Amino acid sequence: GENVEQHPSTLSVQEGDSAVIKCTYSDSASNYFPWYKQELGKGPQLIIDIRSNVGEKKDQRIAVTLNKTAKHFSLHITETQPEDSAVYFCAARIGGWGAQKLVFGQGTRLTINP
Amino acid sequence: DTEVTQTPKHLVMGMTNKKSLKCEQHMGHRAMYWYKQKAKKPPELMFVYSYEKLSINESVPSRFSPECPNSSLLNLHLHALQPEDSALYLCASSQDQDRVVGELFFGEGSRLTVL
Repeated sequence: GENVEQHPSTLSVQEGDSAVIKCTYSDSASNYFPWYKQELGKGPQLIIDIRSNVGEKKDQRIAVTLNKTAKHFSLHITETQPEDSAVYFCAARIGGWGAQKLVFGQGTRLTINP
Repeated sequence: DTEVTQTPKHLVMGMTNKKSLKCEQHMGHRAMYWYKQKAKKPPELMFVYSYEKLSINESVPSRFSPECPNSSLLNLHLHALQPEDSALYLCASSQDQDRVVGELFFGEGSRLTVL
């Protein structure tokens, strides 16, 4: 079935360094790839997304890259700060008209060490 | 603050109880979702309502019964649950189920414990 794999499951970086999280997907028809940040006790919050007609998108310290041929996409966080510590989920939209849904990766627990 | 409001935030119920989770959004979104999230796991889709009609049911047991009274409200009725149903239940909404760019807005969740 449709599958999104996410690596690593945990990531620890020093404050100020960069963090990279990678995801691969199986459905070549997927055309929308969001990233969500979930802080403890809260619901997931969208931080950035990318559509299949774009290879890269940047928003301040956060960027996402997409390689449609290889079916993988990555989240890049630069100049990390303690408030970036959270669980991050990638997702891919699958399904036909009237049945579209998001499939999530397993999540990455990011810890920023001061 | 999230624009999707879920109540209650916490719920403890016995296996014979009947309870409901409620979700409300006033963003004019026409798609609403229920997800279940176990500890250290991603959200798992349960139901999708599009224009107040059930469009996706991910083979969820009948002890979970969704209801969409209007475009702003989504309920999840719970009956005869099992301890393994204990989880965080997340409601979400999006402008439309089928738009290519469709940000999913999540609520804070209702944490359910079944004794």
